[in-house]
Amino acid sequence: QTVVTQEPSFSVSPGGTVTLTCGLSSGSVSTSYYPSWYQQTPGQAPRTLIYSTDSRSSGVPDRFSGSILGSKAALTITGAQADDESDYYCLLYMGSGISVFGGGTKLTVL
Amino acid sequence: EVQLLESGGGFVQPGGSLRLSCAASGFTFSTYTMGWVRQAPGKGLEWVSGISGSGGSTYYADSVKGRFTMSRDNPKNTLFLQMNSLRVEDTAVYYCAKGRIGFGEFDYWGQGTLVTVSS
Repeated sequence: QTVVTQEPSFSVSPGGTVTLTCGLSSGSVSTSYYPSWYQQTPGQAPRTLIYSTDSRSSGVPDRFSGSILGSKAALTITGAQADDESDYYCLLYMGSGISVFGGGTKLTVL
Repeated sequence: EVQLLESGGGFVQPGGSLRLSCAASGFTFSTYTMGWVRQAPGKGLEWVSGISGSGGSTYYADSVKGRFTMSRDNPKNTLFLQMNSLRVEDTAVYYCAKGRIGFGEFDYWGQGTLVTVSS
């Protein structure tokens, strides 16, 4: 069974830039997987940041961007702020109606 | 404004059943795929199931296949998840989510409803 991989944790300084990635245990992520990214703070519902690889959801600041970097989908936060400290999840569409989340990345801003 | 409101969560013993509902508003419900996503305590998000706009196609994660059934009532703008043969490991907050276009992406989320399976 294919596993979607993410860094368990990451740290960034305020104002800094960080890139989180989303890969596959076997194979490369492409736009055909329609990678999407979600932000979640403790006790809250997820919030959609990015869909279809690189499209920002309504109301999402432009310091959040999505891309394909090499064999992985990537979420880049430019100019990190304190309230960006959250869990970030990617979702990949495997086809035939099935989607799989990555394990999530806990981002610390300090 | 898109709104999704889940209900039906609660406490149930292993082997029991529960039916979750998600009332949708603010968009043309029948046009969009919908999904259920769950999150066990202290764990990550897990995609559970998806349904086409017409309700004619449903898809499930292996972990729930054969036990959970997803359906929708388009005239009533309501999504359902019938959960049977519940296990302790099904304990989670269950979110309904609106598909953006087709399957594979969500753009709006409900606030979730907690399901606790315990003896």
